[in-house]
Amino acid sequence: EPEVTQTPSHQVTQMGQEVILRCVPISNHLYFYWYRQILGQKVEFLVSFYNNEISEKSEIFDDQFSVERPDGSNFTLKIRSTKLEDSAMYFCASRVVGGADTQYFGPGTRLTVL
Amino acid sequence: AQSVSQHNHHVILSEAASLELGCNYSYGGTVNLFWYVQYPGQHLQLLLKYFSGDPLVKGIKGFEAEFIKSKFSFNLRKPSVQWSDTAEYFCAVNGKGSNYKLTFGKGTLLTVNP
Repeated sequence: EPEVTQTPSHQVTQMGQEVILRCVPISNHLYFYWYRQILGQKVEFLVSFYNNEISEKSEIFDDQFSVERPDGSNFTLKIRSTKLEDSAMYFCASRVVGGADTQYFGPGTRLTVL
Repeated sequence: AQSVSQHNHHVILSEAASLELGCNYSYGGTVNLFWYVQYPGQHLQLLLKYFSGDPLVKGIKGFEAEFIKSKFSFNLRKPSVQWSDTAEYFCAVNGKGSNYKLTFGKGTLLTVNP
């Protein structure tokens, strides 16, 4: 069964450094999402991406964040200058275009900012 | 704004006990409802979903949920839990007006003792 994959599984970085989290969505999916989960809190929506542009973003997704689909398979989340409060589990998800379709989640990347 | 409330933070049951996890939502429009499960060390997996039609939906592993529109609820049930059901359970909603982004509840940790 096709799966969403994410790399790395765990990223440790120093405050102020740039990080890039990578996702490979399911191949025939066209709608992509990033969510995050701070330890002990709920999973929160960050951004959705369709047709090579952001379709919606949350208040969390400020100028420090960006997303890109550099080729036909990868979908990346970049944090330009990490802060301590960016430490969280970041999940990528994808779905087929149809609105009622299920979002399939990747295993997540645990980001630790020191 | 859409929101999801899960009433139980941690539920502890013995094997063969019946399970009901509460979920209430707030959403201004036609809503899609989901239950996701996260087993220890694994990614979010879809248990079941409701889009339309029969309000009683059946999912994987013997789980079911009932959509009660008048109560804005979508409670998850299982008649007899197993040790392998130990996991965190998340209720989520989305809809057309929200670009189909998922809004999650805080999750309920289920511990099943053998």
